[in-house]
Amino acid sequence: DAGITQSPRHKVTETGTPVTLRCHQTENHRYMYWYRQDPGHGLRLIHYSYGVKDTDKGEVSDGYSVSRSKTEDFLLTLESATSSQTSVYFCAIRSDRRQETQYFGPGTRLLVL
Amino acid sequence: KQEVTQIPAALSVPEGENLVLNCSFTDSAIYNLQWFRQDPGKGLTSLLLIQSSQREQTSGRLNASLDKSSGRSTLYIAASQPGDSATYLCAIALSNFGNEKLTFGTGTRLTIIP
Repeated sequence: DAGITQSPRHKVTETGTPVTLRCHQTENHRYMYWYRQDPGHGLRLIHYSYGVKDTDKGEVSDGYSVSRSKTEDFLLTLESATSSQTSVYFCAIRSDRRQETQYFGPGTRLLVL
Repeated sequence: KQEVTQIPAALSVPEGENLVLNCSFTDSAIYNLQWFRQDPGKGLTSLLLIQSSQREQTSGRLNASLDKSSGRSTLYIAASQPGDSATYLCAIALSNFGNEKLTFGTGTRLTIIP
């Protein structure tokens, strides 16, 4: 299995509070991604990173920010959580080899009350 | 915008049967197509990756095909087993200067009946 972990694995928070999810990899891969998974929508890309301090928006980036200060860590922050951000969040990593698949973490289940 | 559809959303078949899962996409300008498996409460595991220049890929009892002109891919599972029960997702990769972003279908939940 690819060395990728997510923390926390489960979190309950209240509307309006900030939340930070962490993705940590031990593979030294260049690309890192944050997705959310919701019933009926599949996985949707929130943000991605193509190197340290290099990030860009995905399909559903509103209300989220990211940071990558080290190769191994990619943080997803919900500045002010809303109930619509209740979801399962997955991190994925990929090397810079062409035609390489993405490797997924175990997910973080977030409930915003 | 690329749209990926998987029908049916759920499928139940008796153990031992061969089965086919379907994936369709709207834009044929793809970089590759990937099939993933997701077990309940877990992350995704890559099964097969078909490059845009390829027609199929095989791994054990799994065979994935790609027809870009018709915007379709199929995942064939031979001699199904209860352990094959999971949700199967297909994803299209578009390449942009090496960054291969994925667009996912909503998946087919497969149940193999012992």
